[in-house]
Amino acid sequence: GQSLEQPSEVTAVEGAIVQINCTYQTSGFYGLSWYQQHDGGAPTFLSYNALDGLEETGRFSSFLSRSDSYGYLLLQELQMKDSASYFCAVVSQGGKLIFGQGTELSVKP
Amino acid sequence: GAVVSQHPSWVICKSGTSVKIECRSLDFQATTMFWYRQFPKQSLMLMATSNEGSKATYEQGVEKDKFLINHASLTLSTLTVTSAHPEDSSFYICSARDISNNEKLFFGSGTQLSVL
Repeated sequence: GQSLEQPSEVTAVEGAIVQINCTYQTSGFYGLSWYQQHDGGAPTFLSYNALDGLEETGRFSSFLSRSDSYGYLLLQELQMKDSASYFCAVVSQGGKLIFGQGTELSVKP
Repeated sequence: GAVVSQHPSWVICKSGTSVKIECRSLDFQATTMFWYRQFPKQSLMLMATSNEGSKATYEQGVEKDKFLINHASLTLSTLTVTSAHPEDSSFYICSARDISNNEKLFFGSGTQLSVL
């Protein structure tokens, strides 16, 4: 079977740094993606890691370790607008996305 | 950037009726599109993979006769929820794969279906 685990919720203050971890157990792994979703909206692509290492895009970074079946999303200089749900998703064969259960991030003033 | 248009954004229907949701890739050709369903506060669950010119591939537990998928052109896939019931009320989201752009996936804006 396929499964992904990530924390259900995280709370942090503005300006802080937060890391959301994701472990996975899947077959046919091609890479790990991260998506942001605000209430009532569609998922927005944040990052994709196909190889081990860190990918940086502005305030967001994502890391992957294929040998550990582990990745994380790092959000720096948190802003109130970053309050949302964050999903890790394994990219499987044929471009299928298998999503984790999502982490609800609350950013407090 | 690539845009995927999904229509309608919300629909309310009576139990027993059918609802069609459209997913269009506006500036790229998508041989493959995916349909997801998301219940409140839950994850996105893949329902089916829509392939242009061929039958859709359904995930385990998804009734293909209830959720009809048609992918008749390289820019359009449709999902029809037949004989909808209240338990079908959910957020339906499509995504399309742009093979000319490193096979990136782009999501539609979603359709909120409420069945009364």
